[in-house]
This record gives sequence, structure tokens and C-alpha cells, in this order.
Amino acid sequence: QVTLKESGPVLVKPTETLTLTCTVSGFSLSNARMGVSWIRQPPGKALEWLAHIFSNDEKSYSTSLKSRLTISKDTSKSQVVLTMTNMDPVDTATYYCARLVVVAAKFWDYWGQGTLVTVSS
Amino acid sequence: AIRMTQSPSSFSASTGDRVTITCRASQGISSYLAWYQQKPGKAPKLLIYAASTLQSGVPSRFSGSGSGTDFTLTISCLQSEDFATYYCQQYYSYPRGLTFGGGTKVEIK
Repeated sequence: QVTLKESGPVLVKPTETLTLTCTVSGFSLSNARMGVSWIRQPPGKALEWLAHIFSNDEKSYSTSLKSRLTISKDTSKSQVVLTMTNMDPVDTATYYCARLVVVAAKFWDYWGQGTLVTVSS
Repeated sequence: AIRMTQSPSSFSASTGDRVTITCRASQGISSYLAWYQQKPGKAPKLLIYAASTLQSGVPSRFSGSGSGTDFTLTISCLQSEDFATYYCQQYYSYPRGLTFGGGTKVEIK
């Protein structure tokens, strides 16, 4: 059974750095046909892809947020970590991690439940 | 970046209706499109990928079509559990710049 679960702070202050952890089970982060992505959704708004990481440690970032994001993984712990620097109230959102299937098509087939992060002083 | 525009942004429908949601890409994306369903407070659920391939376990009343810039998601006979928000997403620009449409909310009439 594939599961993903996000963890991290529910409240961060402006200018602080956010660190989120995605713990996966039911598949390995060394599987070459899969990656893990972070996607966020501000309240009442659409989804926005942030970053992904692959089995070979290759990473990709949203162009608009690239300077603020770092994604990494610990395969032995089955964890993917996202850090976002210089948080602002506009970064208030539910942050999801999701499994990215990278065969001929590319899609997210399993998602975590999401974690709501509020940015406020 | 490739922009995905969905229409309408919301509409009301009745159980049993046939409904169609449209997604348009700002440039050609071949068939590199997926559709997701999201219910309030829940994570999105994959419905369709490669524009028309139904994800395992998704009811056959859902179907997708299109290629290039224009795509549709059709629900042939709306059920009560289908009232939700639907998002299209392109992966033509993979690995970077994966973008979603703005969403279409299907509400009960």
C-alpha cells in the first residue's frame, strides 16, 4: 500500500525558513520509474507545482520559486525534504507531497493528505 | 510557461447530467495532459492521464479527449460523489514548469 505523509510546522513567521518532510511507504525512493514532488495550494486557489526529486538525485524546481527552494531525499529513511526560505504570508497554503510516475506519461498517482502552513507574525 | 485555462470556472448540474469541462493550453502539448478531481479538504485524485487514459479504479463514466491545445473531460452520468473541483495539468514541459489549470467546480443544482 502506497502512502505519503507530510509533516512540518503549521505556523511560520515571515522571513523564516520552512522545512517540510514527506515520509513515504509502499515504494522505494530508489525506483527509477518514480519521483516525489511537492505541490501547494493556497486557500481557495489552484494547485501549484514546486519541485521534484528523482531516484538518481536529479532535481527540478519551479522557475518562479527556484531561488527559495531546496529539495533533498534520504532513501534509507524513505523521506523527501523541502525547504523554502524567506517565507511570506502569500506562501500560506496546503503543501502536498505526491508520487510522480515517470514512464511515458508523467502524473501524480498518490498524494499525501497535505499540511496547512500559515505564514503570520 | 505554458498556461492552462479551464472553462467554465464553475457551474451547477444535476445528478444524471452529462457534463463537459474544457481545458485549453497556451501552446500545443500533444496529449501530455492529466485530469484530477479534488473534494473539499482532500488531496487531488488522478482520473485520467495521456489525455484519454483512465487511471485504474476510476469509473468509466469519466472520459477524456483532445490533443494539441484543446481538451475535454466528460462525465457521462453525474453521480452525487462527482460534485467536486476538477483540474487539468500539462506535463509537456516536464521536468520543469508542470502547470495546472485554474480548476472547474461542479456544484449541485
